[in-house]
Amino acid sequence: RKEVEQDPGPFNVPEGATVAFNCTYSNSASQSFFWYRQDCRKEPKLLMSVYSSGNEDGRFTAQLNRASQYISLLIRDSKLSDSATYLCVVNMYTGNQFYFGTGTSLTVIP
Amino acid sequence: GAVVSQHPSWVICKSGTSVKIECRSLDFQATTMFWYRQFPKQSLMLMATSNEGSKATYEQGVEKDKFLINHASLTLSTLTVTSAHPEDSSFYICSARGGTSGLSYEQYFGPGTRLTVT
Repeated sequence: RKEVEQDPGPFNVPEGATVAFNCTYSNSASQSFFWYRQDCRKEPKLLMSVYSSGNEDGRFTAQLNRASQYISLLIRDSKLSDSATYLCVVNMYTGNQFYFGTGTSLTVIP
Repeated sequence: GAVVSQHPSWVICKSGTSVKIECRSLDFQATTMFWYRQFPKQSLMLMATSNEGSKATYEQGVEKDKFLINHASLTLSTLTVTSAHPEDSSFYICSARGGTSGLSYEQYFGPGTRLTVT
């Protein structure tokens, strides 16, 4: 079983829509969780860290469910510029091992 | 803050030559640097993890003699692809861990190096 699993999509949504991605992780000892965004032929950029209490940054909301071992990313009022691949990343505090999901592709359509 | 640079951003070389890629953390000291490879339409694949002053830890299946990693300082790590072959053509991305905040668990990625071996 993979350490981190994501639905690869693609998700094609109209502008203004709300879209949610989920990501599951297998190691219950995982402590740090992140969402990265990667544009085509570019490096991943940190979108947001995911905190236990959940956190929001503008149109983006991230949540963590430790009991079910998944994290989610909600994007409200989608913009064309949100089109990208969203990577889920999981890490344990004590290690340098970061586990990446394969990414979820999002295309926002005018 | 937390800017990582890579050089070169793009390189074409002939089969059999060696290519060195530099990764620098510009505004913070990186306790750990990571090297990834990404083929078109695939996810990032971790190649190795390096800590300053010590030998890199390579992932299974990655040849340490072919991909030489040197992490000489807290702001610089280099990856040398030795005797490159066309199948080594890929997007190589480094990342650094360690930031300006007390919690330094995020990774910050360099812009990547696109290597084409002819």
